[in-house]
Amino acid sequence: AQTVTQSQPEMSVQEAETVTLSCTYDTSESNYYLFWYKQPPSRQMILVIRQEAYKQQNATENRFSVNFQKAAKSFSLKISDSQLGDTAMYFCAFMKHVIGRDSNYQLIWGAGTKLIIKP
Amino acid sequence: DSGVTQTPKHLITATGQRVTLRCSPRSGDLSVYWYQQSLDQGLQFLIQYYNGEERAKGNILERFSAQQFPDLHSELNLSSLELGDSALYFCASSSPGSNQPQHFGDGTRLSIL
Repeated sequence: AQTVTQSQPEMSVQEAETVTLSCTYDTSESNYYLFWYKQPPSRQMILVIRQEAYKQQNATENRFSVNFQKAAKSFSLKISDSQLGDTAMYFCAFMKHVIGRDSNYQLIWGAGTKLIIKP
Repeated sequence: DSGVTQTPKHLITATGQRVTLRCSPRSGDLSVYWYQQSLDQGLQFLIQYYNGEERAKGNILERFSAQQFPDLHSELNLSSLELGDSALYFCASSSPGSNQPQHFGDGTRLSIL
């Protein structure tokens, strides 16, 4: 069964520092998609970044980038020049292909990492 | 703004009651997902609909049910409510295709007194 593990329940860094959140997953599939979502104190769920497994190039969105290591099944999120507004829960998610009568895709979620940016 | 609309934003009710949460997906999205998030917890997948048909079930209680209507909006019905049902309920939608992320609504905060 596919699983997603976020081993850091909570992290805190000073504003402007760089922080890396870890995520590992387990799957036997060769092609899949990975996502990072952010949930600030407002509790909204916001898509941060996504990575396609068949692409070797790491995805980047402004200050957010990933370090995707397919062989190690690792998908870490790096936040550069962290800002107070980055304070949030961060969830890693793996898109699972459900084979059946109709093709279907579901997200498998990690437990989340609470990130606190200190002024 | 994700384009996913959930109503109401807040709901306060008593044990034993029944409530209905509503979700309108983004324009063009055929899949609707329902999640439950208790305080300081992760997301628990409840159920998924695709173009009006149930596609997948997660940890959804028998007291809960959902449906997706021809106009693609969805409703989650919670009955015989218990204190433990207090949570944030999210709806998400996605476009057809394997690489399409889920886009979330702002959630409905349900409080059971």
